Amino acid sequence: ETGVTQSPTHLIKTRGQQVTLRCSSQSGHNTVSWYQQALGQGPQFIFQYYREEENGRGNFPPRFSGLQFPNYSSELNVNALELDDSALYLCASTPWGSGGELFFGEGSRLTVL
Amino acid sequence: AQKITQTQPGMFVQEKEAVTLDCTYDTSDPSYGLFWYKQPSSGEMIFLIYQGSYDQQNATEGRYSLNFQKARKSANLVISASQLGDSAMYFCATKGSGNTGKLIFGQGTTLQVKP
Repeated sequence: ETGVTQSPTHLIKTRGQQVTLRCSSQSGHNTVSWYQQALGQGPQFIFQYYREEENGRGNFPPRFSGLQFPNYSSELNVNALELDDSALYLCASTPWGSGGELFFGEGSRLTVL
Repeated sequence: AQKITQTQPGMFVQEKEAVTLDCTYDTSDPSYGLFWYKQPSSGEMIFLIYQGSYDQQNATEGRYSLNFQKARKSANLVISASQLGDSAMYFCATKGSGNTGKLIFGQGTTLQVKP
């Protein structure tokens, strides 16, 4: 148990729709990052949030956006869904400045039809 | 830029035997960390072991050890006394200094433990 929880665990959307995924970070962890993991691949860094602001972004278009709340919970929003957005989305938390491991949730598996 | 290469898509090991999962890395950061995670079919990424670039000794955590060879830029994971529950996907990852939440992952190695 990492103390990081994600919801929903599974969801199905159709192309063009919008989706919001949620993450509750481990207590005391003020940095949250999101990853996309396509089937059979390693996770790809989407972005990270610290103090409610985006603080680093991977190679993902602007239709991927996020929010972090004062209680350190966060959201990943994806607009105009495409078929290639089908993936496992992982949330991870850690204290800011830590060089150590990230603590991951179990992920939200998104299928876009 | 940082890159992780895992050249073994799949590995088999007999129960109770040891297995080595390969990982090579490339980074321009003078200070970095190397990580191994296990991902069972449930999807959660489970942290196994960490090696800092300035650590003189190889990291160990129970049955897991990290064979760190800095000159060769390799960070292989050794699992001793394999158990059936070790069957999973294994990912090597790196993080540079100043990148709190950004891990760069390899493609992963699927390990199957045979009874």
